[in-house]
Amino acid sequence: NAGVMQNPRHLVRRRGQEARLRCSPMKGHSHVYWYRQLPEEGLKFMVYLQKENIIDESGMPKERFSAEFPKEGPSILRIQQVVRGDSAAYFCASSRGAVTYEQYFGPGTRLTVT
Amino acid sequence: GESVGLHLPTLSVQEGDNSIINCAYSNSASDYFIWYKQESGKGPQFIIDIRSNMDKRQGQRVTVLLNKTVKHLSLQIAATQPGDSAVYFCAENTGTASKLTFGTGTRLQVTL
Repeated sequence: NAGVMQNPRHLVRRRGQEARLRCSPMKGHSHVYWYRQLPEEGLKFMVYLQKENIIDESGMPKERFSAEFPKEGPSILRIQQVVRGDSAAYFCASSRGAVTYEQYFGPGTRLTVT
Repeated sequence: GESVGLHLPTLSVQEGDNSIINCAYSNSASDYFIWYKQESGKGPQFIIDIRSNMDKRQGQRVTVLLNKTVKHLSLQIAATQPGDSAVYFCAENTGTASKLTFGTGTRLQVTL
């Protein structure tokens, strides 16, 4: 009865390196959402994906950020050439369907850029 | 722009008292609202939700009230316990978009 799984839980990268964050949705869920949270702030929507499709990426920065949700395997949020401002907690959520609004969140990946 | 905001950043209550956490929203098209609880170092945990065709919904020790006239949402926690200490977020969804818009959060501190 696993919930949403994210790994790694903590990730340290130097400026200019790449960060790859993984998210496995709950069993039976085919919709994945990524959010970013800065300290003492609320979560900000980044991207919404279904299997092999990006549905809404209106919250994604135009450069360096990309996301995918392949037919097999976890969803990946990729940040290229990280900068210190990318340091944040990144949360993944999943839902059974777009009309089932309830989203279940994973424990998050805390990215620190040094 | 459209936003969801909270009135109080920190709320301190005594164990056993009732807690009320408030939230204001500005998007009149929002038709679904959720309260999440986030403990330190963890992801948001679903507490209770309400659709815009309702004005009240009750769960176990929690009640959500929705006032669409003034665009106000509140979460009431009865008999607050130390385990309720966390940051509480309200979030909204317009129905046509699957993304959630979160407020900035209220930290609830339960004192003994």
